Amino acid sequence: QVQLVQFGTEVKKPGASVKVSCKASGYTFSSYGISWVRQAPGQGLEWMGWISPYSGNTMYAEKFQGRLTVTTDTSTSTGYMELSSLRSDDTAVYFCARTIFGKFDYWGQGTLVTVS
Amino acid sequence: EMVLTQSPDTLSLSPGERATLSCRASQSVSNNNLAWYQQKSGQAPRLLIFGASSRATGIPDRFSGSGSGTDFTLTISRLEPEDFAVYYCQQYGSSVMYTFGQGTKLEIK
Repeated sequence: QVQLVQFGTEVKKPGASVKVSCKASGYTFSSYGISWVRQAPGQGLEWMGWISPYSGNTMYAEKFQGRLTVTTDTSTSTGYMELSSLRSDDTAVYFCARTIFGKFDYWGQGTLVTVS
Repeated sequence: EMVLTQSPDTLSLSPGERATLSCRASQSVSNNNLAWYQQKSGQAPRLLIFGASSRATGIPDRFSGSGSGTDFTLTISRLEPEDFAVYYCQQYGSSVMYTFGQGTKLEIK
């Protein structure tokens, strides 16, 4: 079965960077994109960026341009999201999601990033 | 940038009732590339509807989507206790830039 596994919690200081991982299984990793979506406490969903593991092509929401890097390691079927210059308003749960033709059909369980 | 506005913000209904949730786009959604997600507290979202009206795998037929252009609707025909959650619409238009609505909270009356 398709699974996207993310690990727990990160605590970072303002100005630092965080790198969150998302390990995929149960499907051909290179055949689907990976998107990153975040959710601040008590708030809605915010799309951040997307990558094609097959081509390495990326797209980022304008808000995160220059501060966000999404990558994949096809040898381990793992996606990564790195956000730099962290601020307190970056405190959120960060989800990865398998992406097919723009829809997010499977999601990781999320990683809580606290900036304090 | 396309903006999706959902209404109402909160909907209070009883089990067995019919729920109608709205999503309005600031410009036409190309190819009706609109999806709906359900999110329960402390969980990841779950894909319900894609292409405005196609149910995702395993989604009960009490969930249906409709609409085109700028106006879309998610209907839950007979609410079950497990349906009370937050619902989001999302557009995936002509380029790889995705947008979510602000969400509608469906709560038990």
